[in-house]
Amino acid sequence: AQSVAQPEDQVNVAEGNPLTVKCTYSVSGNPYLFWYVQYPNRGLQFLLKYITGDNLVKGSYGFEAEFNKSQTSFHLKKPSALVSDSALYFCAVRDREDSSYKLIFGSGTRLLVRP
Amino acid sequence: DSGVTQTPKHLITATGQRVTLRCSPRSGDLSVYWYQQSLDQGLQFLIQYYNGEERAKGNILERFSAQQFPDLHSELNLSSLELGDSALYFCASSFSGTGPYNEQFFGPGTRLTVL
Repeated sequence: AQSVAQPEDQVNVAEGNPLTVKCTYSVSGNPYLFWYVQYPNRGLQFLLKYITGDNLVKGSYGFEAEFNKSQTSFHLKKPSALVSDSALYFCAVRDREDSSYKLIFGSGTRLLVRP
Repeated sequence: DSGVTQTPKHLITATGQRVTLRCSPRSGDLSVYWYQQSLDQGLQFLIQYYNGEERAKGNILERFSAQQFPDLHSELNLSSLELGDSALYFCASSFSGTGPYNEQFFGPGTRLTVL
C-alpha cells in the first residue's frame, strides 16, 4: 500500500535561516513525488515534483526538494526562509505502477517562520 | 488562481440532507479528482473521472457519488449527511494526456458544515 509520512506536525524557523520539511514515502513501485502548499482558506498550490533524473528538484518560490531513493525520502528545503512561507505543506506520492492517477498525501507539516 | 473553480464556497446543512458540490476543471484538463480534507482523516482521495468516465475510486462512502458531464465539469453528490461529513472538499484537475506524472491543480474548496 502507498503511504506518505511527514513526521513533524510543525516546523519553526527564523526568517533568513534555511528550512527543511521532512517527507518519507512507501510505494510498491517507483514513485512520482510532489510537494504542495496550502495557505489559510485557500486550495493547495503545486510547488514541485520529482519524476526522474536529477535527485535535486527546483520549484516555485525558491523551494527545492531532494529525492533519496535509499532512504525513501523527499525532503523540502529552502536556503533562506521568509515570513510569507508560513503555511501548511503537504508531501504526496503516486506509484508509477498504479493505473490510477490518485495522489496519496501526508498529514501535512505546518511551517512557522518568525521574523 | 489555479483555474479550477468550485461552487459553493461554503455550505451549511442539516443531518440527513443531500448536497451537490460543483467543480469546473482548468481549460483543457480531462481529469477531475475529488478529495476530502478533515482534521481527523487528513487529505483523502475520493474519486477520479477522466473524460466523463470513472477512472479510480478511493475512500468514498456509498452515500457519496460523483459524475463528470460532457462539458467536463463534475459534481459530487453527498446524501444522508452525517456530522462526520463536515469537511473541506477539494476538486483538482490535470491534463493526464501524456502520463500520470502531471501535477494536479486544486480548486479553492467547498467547506461543508453539517449541523
